[in-house]
Amino acid sequence: KQEVTQIPAALSVPEGENLVLNCSFTDSAIYNLQWFRQDPGKGLTSLLLIQSSQREQTSGRLNASLDKSSGRSTLYIAASQPGDSATYLCAVRKRSGGSNYKLTFGKGTLLTVNP
Amino acid sequence: KAGVTQTPRYLIKTRGQQVTLSCSPISGHRSVSWYQQTPGQGLQFLFEYFSETQRNKGNFPGRFSGRQFSNSRSEMNVSTLELGDSALYLCASSWGDRGPGNEQFFGPGTRLTVL
Repeated sequence: KQEVTQIPAALSVPEGENLVLNCSFTDSAIYNLQWFRQDPGKGLTSLLLIQSSQREQTSGRLNASLDKSSGRSTLYIAASQPGDSATYLCAVRKRSGGSNYKLTFGKGTLLTVNP
Repeated sequence: KAGVTQTPRYLIKTRGQQVTLSCSPISGHRSVSWYQQTPGQGLQFLFEYFSETQRNKGNFPGRFSGRQFSNSRSEMNVSTLELGDSALYLCASSWGDRGPGNEQFFGPGTRLTVL
């Protein structure tokens, strides 16, 4: 059974700091990994999707890396801003049978960026 | 293009009642997945519907059921509500027929409170 762990569970940093969020998964036979952002009481917004054949993806101040063999991914946020405050979730996609694929989520890291 | 919509956004019910939640996917998407999110368990997969058929199912009791209509809209029903069913219920839509490339797009969620 796939398990996804995110460390730390919560993180508080001053504005402008660079930071790294970690995600690990137990079954390395994944097709891709996705990072999401969730604001309080809201749905999920996709940030980055990394295919299993890729090592990293970048979007603006965000950079996500993937080391499939070791079951790890990191999300790097450069020059953090108060607007980055949210819960960040990672999810891995794996075949669940036939042509079906299933997303398994970590419990998230609650990020607070203080002005 | 309109995003995923969920109605209602908030619900308050009492134990023993039943509830129906609705999800309208992005136009053209044929797959709808449902998730339950609680502080303790995080995001857990309930089930997925594709072309009016349940294609995947998580580990939830039979009180949780769903269906999908010919226009891809989906409903989720919970019967005999328990206090532990209080959660944010999220639905996500995708094309559904592109294997691991089926990136999911999430709705804003329905917040269910059971008293």
